[in-house]
Amino acid sequence: SAVISQKPSRDICQRGTSLTIQCQVDSQVTMMFWYRQQPGQSLTLIATANQGSEATYESGFVIDKFPISRPNLTFSTLTVSNMSPEDSSIYLCSVEGPSRTGELFFGEGSRLTVL
Amino acid sequence: KNQVEQSPQSLIILEGKNCTLQCNYTVSPFSNLRWYKQDTGRGPVSLTIMTFSENTKSNGRYTATLDADTKQSSLHITASQLSDSASYICVVRDNAGNMLTFGGGTRLMVKP
Repeated sequence: SAVISQKPSRDICQRGTSLTIQCQVDSQVTMMFWYRQQPGQSLTLIATANQGSEATYESGFVIDKFPISRPNLTFSTLTVSNMSPEDSSIYLCSVEGPSRTGELFFGEGSRLTVL
Repeated sequence: KNQVEQSPQSLIILEGKNCTLQCNYTVSPFSNLRWYKQDTGRGPVSLTIMTFSENTKSNGRYTATLDADTKQSSLHITASQLSDSASYICVVRDNAGNMLTFGGGTRLMVKP
């Protein structure tokens, strides 16, 4: 299994500002995943953070809006830039377990409210 | 397009009762299907995984079934407890691009 720490756990932000979410894993992993969970919805993959290379973004998500850093094999950050109320969501960091079945382990999530 | 549909969207049951959650998928080729439990304010946690050859698997009071022919899975919760109140998410992995497709989840509330 993997233990994932995320911070902040929650924040209230003003429109137009940016917020950086940090994710720390207790073991080295090749890929880290960032998900968004809008109110009452399931999870949507934002991007995959690879160490030593640019993150891979899913359709509908762009680097200018969600810049990602991956400085080493245990840490990543996701920034939500120029926030609007539509960005109010839970943002979750995730890694895949070592088994071939690909179980995902998630952080506790960062609940973001944009006013 | 790969899709995962869950029903019902929400469910309220009394403590001690049983319930069954449904997951229908169109993901192909199929690799595996997982049920995750997400408590309020927490990240999802895997309950069980179903592979192509498995029909039924139990994890305590949780029993998952898989019908690969009809592309349906169910999660049965026996003798529900207040702590079962959570969202249950069905996630299907394909065997081609190794992509995950998430269902919309079922929000279960167990009342005393």
